[in-house]
Amino acid sequence: DAKTTQPPSMDCAEGRAANLPCNHSTISGNEYVYWYRQIHSQGPQYIIHGLKNNETNEMASLIITEDRKSSTLILPHATLRDTAVYYCIVRVYDNYGQNFVFGPGTRLSVLP
Amino acid sequence: DGGITQSPKYLFRKEGQNVTLSCEQNLNHDAMYWYRQDPGQGLRLIYYSQIVNDFQKGDIAEGYSVSREKKESFPLTVTSAQKNPTAFYLCASSMRAGTGEQFFGPGTRLTVL
Repeated sequence: DAKTTQPPSMDCAEGRAANLPCNHSTISGNEYVYWYRQIHSQGPQYIIHGLKNNETNEMASLIITEDRKSSTLILPHATLRDTAVYYCIVRVYDNYGQNFVFGPGTRLSVLP
Repeated sequence: DGGITQSPKYLFRKEGQNVTLSCEQNLNHDAMYWYRQDPGQGLRLIYYSQIVNDFQKGDIAEGYSVSREKKESFPLTVTSAQKNPTAFYLCASSMRAGTGEQFFGPGTRLTVL
């Protein structure tokens, strides 16, 4: 079972920031938070991951709360091409016995 | 360009036939994975392989089989024992099993008639 809960859907206006929440209240100390997205009928695409510090790359920013029980993925200037299903996953970074568990994710619709 | 390829993109088969889905990667990754995705659902792990000649069952392995004879190839066979084979199948790889990010192929949509 997925160890995360996400809202099933969200809308965002084009050009505005999209803030996607994720709850992971049972996260362990050595588990990372990963974000992927999947555009319709394509394979998932890696976005970002983090342990406890906030992270930023060319695609997005990841904000993790101090207690690590929740996080937010931020797309700073959403475009129509960001319309996709976004998956939040927690897992240990280097564990041969554990694999990614993808829940239903959040369907983000960027509106013109 | 490095990446993962899956073929074909769309596949149609009659009920009761076995079918093999191809997955090839030229990323020199040790680990490879097969997932199944049903409409509106997340991904479920079918099988994974940490190294050549080794593979492990995932959460929904019944009715499927795999082989890993070469590092770059991890074909999935959907057998007639799989009760609901119609789905979107995704192959992925990672540098080592369990580490970091997984890279996904474009997927194969299998429809059993």
